[in-house]
Amino acid sequence: AQSVTQLGSHVSVSEGALVLLRCNYSSSVPPYLFWYVQYPNQGLQLLLKYTSAATLVKGINGFEAEFKKSETSFHLTKPSAHMSDAAEYFCAVSEGSYGQNFVFGPGTRLSVLP
Amino acid sequence: DAGITQSPRYKITETGRQVTLMCHQTWSHSYMFWYRQDLGHGLRLIYYSAAADITDKGEVPDGYVVSRSKTENFPLTLESATRSQTSVYFCASTNRDSYEQYFGPGTRLTVT
Repeated sequence: AQSVTQLGSHVSVSEGALVLLRCNYSSSVPPYLFWYVQYPNQGLQLLLKYTSAATLVKGINGFEAEFKKSETSFHLTKPSAHMSDAAEYFCAVSEGSYGQNFVFGPGTRLSVLP
Repeated sequence: DAGITQSPRYKITETGRQVTLMCHQTWSHSYMFWYRQDLGHGLRLIYYSAAADITDKGEVPDGYVVSRSKTENFPLTLESATRSQTSVYFCASTNRDSYEQYFGPGTRLTVT
């Protein structure tokens, strides 16, 4: 069965600094990987997804993530944090080709300091 | 409105009462899901449905009942609510070859 770990339940960065949110997964088959963002009192919004094409995936709002099979990682990065990036971020893995059987990580809350 | 909607958005109920959370999607997606979100646990799957009249248990199904008589609706019922079911509930949907899940805005349920 697949699983996801996210290192750090809370990450703080200064505005303009690099954002790095870590995600490691385990899967018995080639996985599909996702990052979702959740703003306060809202649902989850897809940031980006890896579906076995390019290993470097670009998403919305300047975020990107790199799939590294040898490290079983899918870390999320953004070169320069903005105050509006403050939110909860969830990494998810799916072993299904049509979006079922998602397993979510516990989430990382990102704070952006002025 | 197009998309996926949930109602009510907020609900307070008492222990032992039955409560139903509604989920409606306009995309005709085959798959629908119910999750609960609790601090420190991320999202945990309660039930999912592959099509109308086909449902299956997820990770935490105890105390919940689902039905799916129409493709677009997937209600979640707490037959006898308990305080441990205080949570935020999210509905999601997807379709074949879509890869990702699309989420509703959530229902915040408090059981007193």
